[in-house]
Amino acid sequence: AQSVSQHNHHVILSEAASLELGCNYSYGGTVNLFWYVQYPGQHLQLLLKYFSGDPLVKGIKGFEAEFIKSKFSFNLRKPSVQWSDTAEYFCAAAVSGTYKYIFGTGTRLKVLA
Amino acid sequence: AAGVIQSPRHLIKEKRETATLKCYPIPRHDTVYWYQQGPGQDPQFLISFYEKMQSDKGSIPDRFSAQQFSDYHSELNMSSLELGDSALYFCASSALMVSGELFFGEGSRLTVL
Repeated sequence: AQSVSQHNHHVILSEAASLELGCNYSYGGTVNLFWYVQYPGQHLQLLLKYFSGDPLVKGIKGFEAEFIKSKFSFNLRKPSVQWSDTAEYFCAAAVSGTYKYIFGTGTRLKVLA
Repeated sequence: AAGVIQSPRHLIKEKRETATLKCYPIPRHDTVYWYQQGPGQDPQFLISFYEKMQSDKGSIPDRFSAQQFSDYHSELNMSSLELGDSALYFCASSALMVSGELFFGEGSRLTVL
């Protein structure tokens, strides 16, 4: 069965630290990959997405993610986090050509001022 | 720009009562997804619709039913409510085959007393 795994459930960083959140998916076919963010008390919002082309995608607020097909990974990165990045981050995969949209279990990031 | 509209935003019900949540997708979006997010938990996929037909089913209890209407709005009906049904219910819409991105509503917070 298709699944999305996020290895870090809770991450605590100080401001200006670098961030990398892991995401792996299990599906042999074509998938479209997404990172969503949920700020406290708010709904999910799209950070970035990968469909095809350049495997390094840039999103909003200085976030980027790299698609590595051989590793089935789509890790999220940010060189220098801010206190306002405190939120929960969800990786998601949509199986191309279907309606299946699978979310990972989420990573709660807390950035200390 | 128009967003996904959910109503009501807050709902309080007693055990064993019935509740109906509504979702109005972004115009020209043909796909609707429903998710349940319990306190401190990750969104759990309930059900999805494409062009008014059920496209995928997740962990939706038998006490719940949903449908998508001719104007593409969707309703989630929940009967015999239990305390454990207290959660934030998100609706998301997409022009899935076009952009693949889910756009989330603000959510409907259901409290069962």
